[in-house]
Amino acid sequence: GAGVSQTPSNKVTEKGKYVELRCDPISGHTALYWYRQSLGQGPEFLIYFQGTGAADDSGLPNDRFFAVRPEGSVSTLKIQRTERGDSAVYLCASSPTEGGRGTDTQYFGPGTRLTVL
Amino acid sequence: DAKTTQPTSMDCAEGRAANLPCNHSTISGNEYVYWYRQIHSQGPQYIIHGLKNNETNEMASLIITEDRKSSTLILPHATLRDTAVYYCIVRVTGTYKYIFGTGTRLKVLA
Repeated sequence: GAGVSQTPSNKVTEKGKYVELRCDPISGHTALYWYRQSLGQGPEFLIYFQGTGAADDSGLPNDRFFAVRPEGSVSTLKIQRTERGDSAVYLCASSPTEGGRGTDTQYFGPGTRLTVL
Repeated sequence: DAKTTQPTSMDCAEGRAANLPCNHSTISGNEYVYWYRQIHSQGPQYIIHGLKNNETNEMASLIITEDRKSSTLILPHATLRDTAVYYCIVRVTGTYKYIFGTGTRLKVLA
């Protein structure tokens, strides 16, 4: 079946602009995660959704970052007033089980590479 | 706080076993250890996870020390396609935050 998809695959924007990154999880997966990966580093947790609600947003770096999942499937990560330091690959993962349990295998999308000029 | 430590890089000859260590000395008693790998320009891929006992699946084996402070991922017969960055991951107790660390870059040599 179809895996996790993310759009766009690449996004180039200018400093100060607003961007939206989309994640389509695997159908039926209730758990959804967003991560950010800088060059040479491992993925860094941003936010976790269980259904429509953000159960843990402790990884969001500041209030310029926001994410929604209004119908419990597709999620959008929104970044306001982008800065050059926001440049990274943004990864989305979904899981068929509630997060925090031993069996919550995460299935990752290919990521969106964001470049802020 | 939850943290994992892995060697930065390792080489392994094709066909030989690759043994990738991870230190997770701060892991709490009921948290699992997960292993994922990331091939260049792709999202991470799940390999295996475990709590206390050793685990094996079609991809790899996971050996966890009795005190749970470290583990080793074993790829029994490494192939060129196993060249990737391997991450040992733990969760911060009471949250949904998974800590990836910087991983081990495994290079399988022909």
